[in-house]
Amino acid sequence: DGGITQSPKYLFRKEGQNVTLSCEQNLNHDAMYWYRQDPGQGLRLIYYSQIVNDFQKGDIAEGYSVSREKKESFPLTVTSAQKNPTAFYLCASSQVGLGGYTFGSGTRLTVV
Amino acid sequence: QKEVEQDPGPLSVPEGAIVSLNCTYSNSAFQYFMWYRQYSRKGPELLMYTYSSGNKEDGRFTAQVDKSSKYISLFIRDSQPSDSATYLCARKGAGNMLTFGGGTRLMVKP
Repeated sequence: DGGITQSPKYLFRKEGQNVTLSCEQNLNHDAMYWYRQDPGQGLRLIYYSQIVNDFQKGDIAEGYSVSREKKESFPLTVTSAQKNPTAFYLCASSQVGLGGYTFGSGTRLTVV
Repeated sequence: QKEVEQDPGPLSVPEGAIVSLNCTYSNSAFQYFMWYRQYSRKGPELLMYTYSSGNKEDGRFTAQVDKSSKYISLFIRDSQPSDSATYLCARKGAGNMLTFGGGTRLMVKP
């Protein structure tokens, strides 16, 4: 079945640590996106990539980094510079210029 | 002003009721709109995709766009407890970029 897989489902981070969230898709989509969701604030765009080896900052990129070395993969690193990382992180993909987004099931990150 | 705005709710209705969920948008140039449904602790899933103005129907769901008032609506007929979720509206912009509203939480009580 085609889809988009995020792992892990739950992640705990200690203060000062970097953590990496995985996102893999087998839909052959060109574009991939990372969103952060906080209660009552909807989806906020962190980074997006429309082609391999290229990506752009979204509205809240500070404290995050990404890479796009393969079409199927778009990992997100939450760095120690992100002061309030506890949130629900969603990865999505789409064909460039067409249709809506397909979302993964999310990773819930908690700082302990 | 946010590009897409929704009342966060929660909206509580009895089973079988007709539900009306609404969004307003700021730019009359917007033409493509989508509705996503998100269950708790899950990723959003695409429900409806509409273009320009008018109605689009899919089973119990109807999406409506009123360009003159910059208003988009999702109607759910014969609502079920399984419809309890957060509903997100989104507008599609340049480069297939979506801008989402904050979502409305719906609770359908048996």
